[in-house]
Amino acid sequence: QKEVEQDPGPLSVPEGAIVSLNCTYSNSAFQYFMWYRQYSRKGPELLMYTYSSGNKEDGRFTAQVDKSSKYISLFIRDSQPSDSATYLCAMEDDYKLSFGAGTTVTVRA
Amino acid sequence: DGGITQSPKYLFRKEGQNVTLSCEQNLNHDAMYWYRQDPGQGLRLIYYSQIVNDFQKGDIAEGYSVSREKKESFPLTVTSAQKNPTAFYLCASSMRGSYGYTFGSGTRLTVV
Repeated sequence: QKEVEQDPGPLSVPEGAIVSLNCTYSNSAFQYFMWYRQYSRKGPELLMYTYSSGNKEDGRFTAQVDKSSKYISLFIRDSQPSDSATYLCAMEDDYKLSFGAGTTVTVRA
Repeated sequence: DGGITQSPKYLFRKEGQNVTLSCEQNLNHDAMYWYRQDPGQGLRLIYYSQIVNDFQKGDIAEGYSVSREKKESFPLTVTSAQKNPTAFYLCASSMRGSYGYTFGSGTRLTVV
């Protein structure tokens, strides 16, 4: 079993829809949780990171962490075609990150 | 502008040859990392270095080697011992104690 599980999709939504992404994990030592966005043939860029259980908002993006269930989510409101990318969850243990497989999202205009 | 530069962007090599991928950063970051990305598998850690002249193996270090002689540079050599080297290679860096990585644009290596 992988330490971090993420449904690779692909996910296709119409412009303006809410995109919901999630990851589950098995390692209780993970303390920090991140979401990265990766455009085709580019390196990932950090979108958000959280530490504690609960919600964190940044503009149209909301990250949610439930440590008791070992489950994290990312919601994108009012999705735009420019949000079309692969979204990777990542989790930290001892300053090293473990990544999910990434979910490919397409927002249709 | 600060950032991480990976070169070359695309690399083709014959089977059995060693090849070195370059990674340079001007962010004054202490830690540097190499990841390999394959379709459907996410990023897997090859090697990482927290300080100059020190580095540790990641989850898939076999067939790879690195050096960290300068803070700015962390080259990765893919040796002939690596059984399946064709992949997208990503270099990243971070401040020690920080959890946000900055990634380079990657090198796509194809072995023919």
